[in-house]
Amino acid sequence: DTGVSQDPRHKITKRGQNVTFRCDPISEHNRLYWYRQTLGQGPEFLTYFQNEAQLEKSRLLSDRFSAERPKGSFSTLEIQRTEQGDSAMYLCASSTDTDRMSQYFGPGTRLLVL
Amino acid sequence: AQSVTQLGSHVSVSEGALVLLRCNYSSSVPPYLFWYVQYPNQGLQLLLKYTTGATLVKGINGFEAEFKKSETSFHLTKPSAHMSDAAEYFCAVRSMYNNNDMRFGAGTRLTVKP
Repeated sequence: DTGVSQDPRHKITKRGQNVTFRCDPISEHNRLYWYRQTLGQGPEFLTYFQNEAQLEKSRLLSDRFSAERPKGSFSTLEIQRTEQGDSAMYLCASSTDTDRMSQYFGPGTRLLVL
Repeated sequence: AQSVTQLGSHVSVSEGALVLLRCNYSSSVPPYLFWYVQYPNQGLQLLLKYTTGATLVKGINGFEAEFKKSETSFHLTKPSAHMSDAAEYFCAVRSMYNNNDMRFGAGTRLTVKP
């Protein structure tokens, strides 16, 4: 297994456009997390899935953001009507039920909104 | 709510010198504590974690950290720095009652001088 993968690694978009990011967790990891990391800061929790169910959302996740994990495997994070303040690194992590303390992070998708 | 404060956004040491990265936490319930490392353009990698039991935790790459409840600290140390240790280090805390909301510090960038 090659770990958590994210696609694309970089995205440049114009303000107002929609973007979608994908995360493929480690196979058999049923827990999947999304974080946002801005320059000079640590990651901030956005949302969490257990299998296909989205069980928790941070108040950072405005209504322009939506995340899905339809089959309990890969997940997508969509940002509608992007704003310059959305520019950040979006990180995905996964873990198992039996070892929830160990989250494995992907390389992230760096978003730049012009 | 939980939070962490990392003292020192930048730390510079000479190769072979002691590495000490400071982390203080705030938590109203027993915390779980973590240290992650992030290399440029990569995701976060778990170095070590404290959940329960022994307060001195050993991790990968020769790092260790000690949970001191009386000082609300979880400082990261390594006896002898190596050039490959140069990276960004993040301390994180999560509540034992809410396993999904991990709070990260702002990070400490470690530079290792030859």
